[in-house]
Amino acid sequence: QQQVKQSPQSLIVQKGGISIINCAYENTAFDYFPWYQQFPGKGPALLIAIRPDVSEKKEGRFTISFNKSAKQFSLHIMDSQPGDSATYFCAALDGGATNKLIFGTGTLLAVQP
Amino acid sequence: NAGVTQTPKFRILKIGQSMTLQCTQDMNHNYMYWYRQDPGMGLKLIYYSVGAGITDKGEVPNGYNVSRSTTEDFPLRLELAAPSQTSVYFCASRTRDYGYTFGSGTRLTVV
Repeated sequence: QQQVKQSPQSLIVQKGGISIINCAYENTAFDYFPWYQQFPGKGPALLIAIRPDVSEKKEGRFTISFNKSAKQFSLHIMDSQPGDSATYFCAALDGGATNKLIFGTGTLLAVQP
Repeated sequence: NAGVTQTPKFRILKIGQSMTLQCTQDMNHNYMYWYRQDPGMGLKLIYYSVGAGITDKGEVPNGYNVSRSTTEDFPLRLELAAPSQTSVYFCASRTRDYGYTFGSGTRLTVV
């Protein structure tokens, strides 16, 4: 119930292509869904986030698509660049008093020039 | 504004030794968290705190302990280090809009 399942584990995309990472959850009480980007040797950094009352959110080349009925959400990176090469984590917020984030297992993205 | 500061950045411990990982935030956040990151496993919550004097266990608390005497500081204590505790440890605090701010991590090796 508390898991967030993320796929694929790794992804190779050509420069200019679209990168798509998918996540699924079970707990309908989750009320906030962020994506984090992590470069080697650094901590995760918030990239973009969405709430379940919205089906899509776009920030520059990054878009979250959210399907509440299917309990799935995905990250799309348009016009992928070598500088986007990083590990991406989806997460879901277990709301209430503790506000704990439950993380997916991560996707290692490599954008080839 | 330094955000979340973790020290040390790297540490090698011998089996059975103890150490404290330090975490300090200057954003006056009530909520703070300790995660460990293992390859292919994502981030697992060790302990969290909702305010000074209040702490609770996360998913993987065994072998660790925490304290929260001030809003700013949330140290993680490892007693009797074991090879299974080799990992990268991240401290985080919650920002106003629910997003977490993470520190840069502590890479710990237990040999």
